Amino acid sequence: GQQLNQSPQSMFIQEGEDVSMNCTSSSIFNTWLWYKQDPGEGPVLLIALYKAGELTSNGRLTAQFGITRKDSFLNISASIPSDVGIYFCAGPDLNYGGSQGNLIFGKGTKLSVKP
Amino acid sequence: NAGVTQTPKFQVLKTGQSMTLQCAQDMNHNSMYWYRQDPGMGLRLIYYSASEGTTDKGEVPNGYNVSRLNKREFSLRLESAAPSQTSVYFCASSVSRGMAGANVLTFGAGSRLTVL
Repeated sequence: GQQLNQSPQSMFIQEGEDVSMNCTSSSIFNTWLWYKQDPGEGPVLLIALYKAGELTSNGRLTAQFGITRKDSFLNISASIPSDVGIYFCAGPDLNYGGSQGNLIFGKGTKLSVKP
Repeated sequence: NAGVTQTPKFQVLKTGQSMTLQCAQDMNHNSMYWYRQDPGMGLRLIYYSASEGTTDKGEVPNGYNVSRLNKREFSLRLESAAPSQTSVYFCASSVSRGMAGANVLTFGAGSRLTVL
């Protein structure tokens, strides 16, 4: 079945460091999404990508839609304590409702930042 | 704008008890979803409703029922709770399938359920 592999599972970094995480899919995607979940809250959309090769920034965050359409990357520059949380990649869940609406999620990357 | 509102935020049940998680959205979205989140498992789809009057099973529907009460509200019911249903439950909504942004889900803050 369709799978998303997200790595790393967790990261412990010093404030000010850059962060990189990635996601690979067993299927070709036409959309990649990156969400962040703060402790005790629901996931919030950070960046949406719709085209292979697309590079999109949102402040200190940059995400890329891989050329093969099977992977995506999220980078955070100059991390700060409020970057703490779980970051999820997501793409269309082809098992339920086709390519529109339903999402399949990676298992998340838990980010901890030491001041 | 409240977005997606879930109640209750916390609930403790005994095995065999029933309960309903409520969800309402005020964004005029047509599609609504229920996910569960377990440690190390990410989010898994329980049920979804593509539009008012329709519901469909997701990846992990066993032990749950849903009702799309109207366009705004989508409830999740546990008829006979089991310890395996201890989890954090998230409701989400999105614009109509086929529309631009249909994959962009807006989530509620979650309902943390413990079954003893």
